Amino acid sequence: NAGVTQTPKFRVLKTGQSMTLLCAQDMNHEYMYWYRQDPGMGLRLIHYSVGEGTTAKGEVPDGYNVSRLKKQNFLLGLESAAPSQTSVYFCASSYWISGNTIYFGEGSWLTVV
Amino acid sequence: GQQLNQSPQSMFIQEGEDVSMNCTSSSIFNTWLWYKQDPGEGPVLLIALYKAGELTSNGRLTAQFGITRKDSFLNISASIPSDVGIYFCAGSNFGNEKLTFGTGTRL
Repeated sequence: NAGVTQTPKFRVLKTGQSMTLLCAQDMNHEYMYWYRQDPGMGLRLIHYSVGEGTTAKGEVPDGYNVSRLKKQNFLLGLESAAPSQTSVYFCASSYWISGNTIYFGEGSWLTVV
Repeated sequence: GQQLNQSPQSMFIQEGEDVSMNCTSSSIFNTWLWYKQDPGEGPVLLIALYKAGELTSNGRLTAQFGITRKDSFLNISASIPSDVGIYFCAGSNFGNEKLTFGTGTRL
């Protein structure tokens, strides 16, 4: 997982609190993604970005916001955390379209109580 | 959102056994990918397939792109303890930025 770094790795939030997950990549990739992983559900795309200053919605965007102010960083925000957002979050990046060049971070474990 | 169906969901095997798992979709893809996820880590790409009928190997792993373009198969020969993990299939289409992931097979 070299090249994609996520912070924090673990976090416990109370319902209604806000927080931001940071993803940084040093591979000069254009595309960046945020996924969430839940038991039995595989990985689901929350939001993605095709370049600096751009963002787009994925499969499950509700309750999340993102920003890509710098090419190397992709931030995922939860404005008002809910227990349903308890999950493992993965950031990923790639040169062009998804596929053989996609690299994942190590994951961020978020629990909302 | 669309999910790919993987089977089996989980399996227990003896060291040295061969393993087979598959992934099916209701729609076609022109790229199939197989990832492995170790505990506490992100998924790592094992094999990428780009052509219907293609058979590709990576060491003890062999994957096939189904002729219908709606399925893919992964085989692991002579399994070893470090093969333990969750295996995910994923499909994508050219020009589409998104991967669709399977539900995973826990080995």
